[in-house]
Amino acid sequence: EAGVTQSPTHLIKTRGQQATLRCSPISGHTSVYWYQQALGLGLQFLLWYDEGEERNRGNFPPRFSGRQFPNYSSELNVNALELEDSALYLCASSPSGDEQFFGPGTRLTVL
Amino acid sequence: GENVEQHPSTLSVQEGDSAVIKCTYSDSASNYFPWYKQELGKRPQLIIDIRSNVGEKKDQRIAVTLNKTAKHFSLHITETQPEDSAVYFCAASRVGGSNYKLTFGKGTLLTVNP
Repeated sequence: EAGVTQSPTHLIKTRGQQATLRCSPISGHTSVYWYQQALGLGLQFLLWYDEGEERNRGNFPPRFSGRQFPNYSSELNVNALELEDSALYLCASSPSGDEQFFGPGTRLTVL
Repeated sequence: GENVEQHPSTLSVQEGDSAVIKCTYSDSASNYFPWYKQELGKRPQLIIDIRSNVGEKKDQRIAVTLNKTAKHFSLHITETQPEDSAVYFCAASRVGGSNYKLTFGKGTLLTVNP
């Protein structure tokens, strides 16, 4: 069984630009979660999508947004990038709402 | 909202010793408590989890205990090996609610010295 995949592996942007990160869940998983892992801050919950709908979001500004497609893959968009957005962005999928399985992450660097 | 505190932030043990990492949570409605292991440069991997209807769960050298009254749970690793060296994260959530999300502790860097 293939695991959660994310692309790209690395992304370098400049302040003010937009970034788009992509995630493909494990086959059969309908829920996708996004987390930000900044140095020293652990994993911070960003967004939860299930069956194409946004179900919950964490304490992040509206310039962090996303969507889930009919095939359950998901996209995270970050607009008006700021230096402090530099972090590892992790996607996770779940079959049932409890166990979450993580992808390898996208390392976003904002210069 | 939920708040998870994790201690210690770093832990160094000798190979063969036991390691214990403790977490406390604030939301008494939380009912699912997973532990993740993250090796350097790799994704977090679920190593064990416990639900609120159980007080203890074991899987080989790893065990987790839960005290709902005190709102804390702990990870126990026995007979530690160098390959156990990693950052360990605890988390808590309320499964089944409409606002489900995992809230993570800040992590414990475990170093097992050969």
